[in-house]
Amino acid sequence: GAVVSQHPSWVICKSGTSVKIECRSLDFQATTMFWYRQFPKQSLMLMATSNEGSKATYEQGVEKDKFLINHASLTLSTLTVTSAHPEDSSFYICSTGTPVGLWAQHFGDGTRLSIL
Amino acid sequence: AQTVTQSQPEMSVQEAETVTLSCTYDTSENNYYLFWYKQPPSRQMILVIRQEAYKQQNATENRFSVNFQKAAKSFSLKISDSQLGDTAMYFCALRRAGGTSYGKLTFGQGTILTVHP
Repeated sequence: GAVVSQHPSWVICKSGTSVKIECRSLDFQATTMFWYRQFPKQSLMLMATSNEGSKATYEQGVEKDKFLINHASLTLSTLTVTSAHPEDSSFYICSTGTPVGLWAQHFGDGTRLSIL
Repeated sequence: AQTVTQSQPEMSVQEAETVTLSCTYDTSENNYYLFWYKQPPSRQMILVIRQEAYKQQNATENRFSVNFQKAAKSFSLKISDSQLGDTAMYFCALRRAGGTSYGKLTFGQGTILTVHP
């Protein structure tokens, strides 16, 4: 079964709305989570690294005030797209980090965000 | 900085035949992991196969095998006896084995594979 639950799977909302996406690890404690963005037929681009109990680390070019990340517990990380506009429409995927020396990594099923 | 390059945007193959997807990468690390992920139309990320850089033996998983050439920094995926369900976008990815970036993956551009009946 799924070890990472991402919700919602699909959201459509009006321009100017803020949208929250949740990523929950079900079977283990995830001190680190990664948020990716994917446009149609393109690769996954890392947006930010979410660390439990501390500020997220954003990749170059990603607006931290636009994409708010909160990782308040070892099982939940959230990505909030604030004042969303049509250009923010995309597919967002989270994944868990792994301890050093291990390889297993788990992805959420993704969230399709459509801004009208 | 790490980079992963997939030079084949699209590939097609007939059912039951064999196809090879190419991937090259660049990293200054000596120890790292390489992966092939499959993303079907459902957009789930599915791990196909992985390779530890310190292992010389090429990884295999049923119909999937890799040709890992560490010196050339090449990591190709061979799919034998292709099936219709193999139709998907395939991503090559690289991850450091140590350090603080636990699990941070660098992805290639992806290759869309279509298997024809």
